[in-house]
Amino acid sequence: QITLKESGPKVVKSTQTLSLTCTFSGFSLSSHGVGVGWIRQPPGKALEWLGLIYWNGEDLYNPSLKNRIIIAKDTSQDQVVLTLTDMDPVDTATYYCALILSDFVDNWGQGTLVTVSS
Amino acid sequence: SYVLTQPPSMSVAPGQTATINCDGDKLGSKNIHWYQQKPGQAPVLLVHDNSVRPSGIPERFSGSNSGTTATLTISRVEDGDEADYYCQVWYGRSDHVIVFGGGTKLTV
Repeated sequence: QITLKESGPKVVKSTQTLSLTCTFSGFSLSSHGVGVGWIRQPPGKALEWLGLIYWNGEDLYNPSLKNRIIIAKDTSQDQVVLTLTDMDPVDTATYYCALILSDFVDNWGQGTLVTVSS
Repeated sequence: SYVLTQPPSMSVAPGQTATINCDGDKLGSKNIHWYQQKPGQAPVLLVHDNSVRPSGIPERFSGSNSGTTATLTISRVEDGDEADYYCQVWYGRSDHVIVFGGGTKLTV
């Protein structure tokens, strides 16, 4: 059974750095073709892809966030960490981590709501 | 960047058929994927690679993709199908890699 779960702060202040951890099970991020990505959803709005990291360490990011985002993996711990700098109230959203297979999201975490206070 | 356009909302009576469109430039040349998101829940993969249903997804859900329009069809709509539906493509490594449509809220 594949599971992913996000953890981290529920509230951050403007200009601070957000760090979220995705802990997963049921698959290996060492397996060829496997990726873990981050997707967010502001309240009442659509899904927005943030970035992903592949089994081989290749990372890809949404160009609109490219200077603020880093995604790193710890294969030994079955974890992926999202770091997003210079947080702003517009970054308030539910953040999902997800298993990426081929070119789609195969499994989603339950999501974690992060609120940015001004 | 690539844009996928969906109608914001639609309404269908129980037992009828719902068709949700997703429009994009040369969309028929790409693989389209569909997700269902019920209120307060994470999205769930409904259809991948235009028309492939993951195990556990009812046959009532089907997909097609041609030209500039992809379509998710829900046959014999049930009350439990009330949800937001999102289309998604893989655009390319040099730009927005994963692109989602704006979502369609289906009211039953």
